[in-house]
Amino acid sequence: QKEVEQNSGPLSVPEGAIASLNCTYSDRVSQSFFWYRQYSGKSPELIMSIYSNGDKEDGRFTAQLNKASQYVSLLIRDSQPSDSATYLCAVNMLGTDKLIFGTGTRLQVFP
Amino acid sequence: DAGITQSPRHKVTETGTPVTLRCHQTENHRYMYWYRQDPGHGLRLIHYSYGVKDTDKGEVSDGYSVSRSKTEDFLLTLESATSSQTSVYFCAIRSGTETDTQYFGPGTRLTVL
Repeated sequence: QKEVEQNSGPLSVPEGAIASLNCTYSDRVSQSFFWYRQYSGKSPELIMSIYSNGDKEDGRFTAQLNKASQYVSLLIRDSQPSDSATYLCAVNMLGTDKLIFGTGTRLQVFP
Repeated sequence: DAGITQSPRHKVTETGTPVTLRCHQTENHRYMYWYRQDPGHGLRLIHYSYGVKDTDKGEVSDGYSVSRSKTEDFLLTLESATSSQTSVYFCAIRSGTETDTQYFGPGTRLTVL
């Protein structure tokens, strides 16, 4: 069983809609959760980090963490074509200095 | 960009040749990481360093070695490159000892023929 799982997509949403990206993790991983955005041919860039249950908002982005259900999600409001990218979920590996990454979900926002 | 540079940015080499990739950071971060990224596998950790001369293996370390003789440089060496090591390699730094947040360099695209 993979430790961090994401649907590979593509997830296609119209411009202006809410995009919902999901990530599940195994019970071995720890308390730090991250969302990265990666444009084609570029390096991952950090969008959000979340450490506590509940929602964390930053502009059009909201990260949601539910430790009981072992999932973390990213909502993108008012999606724009420029949001089209692959979104990587990462979690801290319990008791280590490492992050474990999901394989990413490709998001396509069409005009 | 967290002050991270990687060199070279692109490299084509032949099977059996040694290759060294360099990661350089300017902000005195203690932790540095090397990942490879392949379609269908996502980012996988090769090796990481938690200080000068202190390194440890990741999940895909076979065929790779690393060295860190000074804080700012973390070198990844493929002693004898194979076609299976064709990949995009990313270096990352951890922004502090009290946080797990990692920031990535621009990447190196390596092709082994």
